[in-house]
Amino acid sequence: GAVVSQHPSRVICKSGTSVKIECRSLDFQATTMFWYRQFPKQSLMLMATSNEGSKATYEQGVEKDKFLINHASLTLSTLTVTSAHPEDSSFYICSADKDRAYNEQFFGPGTRLTVL
Amino acid sequence: KNEVEQSPQNLTAQEGEFITINCSYSVGISALHWLQQHPGGGIVSLFMLSSGKKKHGRLIATINIQEKHSSLHITASHPRDSAVYICAVKRGSSGDKLTFGTGTRLAVRP
Repeated sequence: GAVVSQHPSRVICKSGTSVKIECRSLDFQATTMFWYRQFPKQSLMLMATSNEGSKATYEQGVEKDKFLINHASLTLSTLTVTSAHPEDSSFYICSADKDRAYNEQFFGPGTRLTVL
Repeated sequence: KNEVEQSPQNLTAQEGEFITINCSYSVGISALHWLQQHPGGGIVSLFMLSSGKKKHGRLIATINIQEKHSSLHITASHPRDSAVYICAVKRGSSGDKLTFGTGTRLAVRP
């Protein structure tokens, strides 16, 4: 199956710093990638839809100035958590749409962010 | 009421048992996904269904579009099947976005 990677897998940072998370589709091109957030024992919450070469579409309640998304190429999308605070600590997961015609979507392994 | 409901929320089984996890949805969909999330957090896509039935190894997924219902079956369950199983639907009108169920936490005891 198709492979989606995320980097880093874990990150610990101090409050006030910014953290960048990368999502890569390794063996296919993805015009659309999705960023999710997951709190402990809860389901995934869609944060934004990232389209290659255009601005991301954010879900209601998600601060676009805090969660910066860049989808500069067909294989890479980045999520930058700016001025991170402890309440931003969470598990962030990306997914990539391989083939819209076949509804195939592949998930990355996730990034666990801890803000001290 | 959530658009995607899963049952049961928690399930404990003995190794070897046949397991069924159910998913009901209330909206029109173009596809339904079954996902597996292990304690480490990574998500694996098990199946994508738009009709009928699919089988992969010990896993079987079925969907009934008219009844808006899907089931995931695990035959001869094993402790390594312990994970959270998530049903997610791609709505026909929402582009590519998925709507997720709350997940079923499965523990298989040896």
